[in-house]
Amino acid sequence: RKEVEQDPGPFNVPEGATVAFNCTYSNSASQSFFWYRQDCRKEPKLLMSVYSSGNEDGRFTAQLNRASQYISLLIRDSKLSDSATYLCVVNKGSYIPTFGRGTSLIVHP
Amino acid sequence: GAVVSQHPSRVICKSGTSVKIECRSLDFQATTMFWYRQFPKQSLMLMATSNEGSKATYEQGVEKDKFLINHASLTLSTLTVTSAHPEDSSFYICSARVEGRGYGYTFGSGTRLTVV
Repeated sequence: RKEVEQDPGPFNVPEGATVAFNCTYSNSASQSFFWYRQDCRKEPKLLMSVYSSGNEDGRFTAQLNRASQYISLLIRDSKLSDSATYLCVVNKGSYIPTFGRGTSLIVHP
Repeated sequence: GAVVSQHPSRVICKSGTSVKIECRSLDFQATTMFWYRQFPKQSLMLMATSNEGSKATYEQGVEKDKFLINHASLTLSTLTVTSAHPEDSSFYICSARVEGRGYGYTFGSGTRLTVV
């Protein structure tokens, strides 16, 4: 089993839709969790950290489920500009992050 | 804040030559720099972790004599691809851990290497 797994998609949704991605991780000792956004041929950019209590930033909500070892990202009211690849990042200590392969989102008019 | 400047952004080189990629932390000190490689439609694969003033730690399967990493100061880490071959063509990207932001990571803008 891979350390961090994501459904590569693509998720094809209309503008205004709500879409959710999950990411599972195998190491129960994982300590920190993040969602990054990567546009085509660009570097990843931090979207949000994921906290145990869950956190929200505008249209984006991230949650962590330690018991089931997954994190989720919910995007409400999708915009065309949300089209990108969303990378799940898990840090299992020593601050070395492990990346999922990313989930591709395409928001269409 | 927390910017990592990476250059060159794009390089084309001939087989057998060497290419150096630089990553500088502009407004913070990067004790640790991570070097990744990303092939099309694949995830970032960690190649090595460099620590200022000490030898880099390479991931399994990454040739340390081919991918030379130097982290001589708290603001500069370099990756040199030696004797490059076409199969080394990829997107190389560096990343540094940023303190005080939930231990997030900031990335350089990446270097697209094409070996012909």
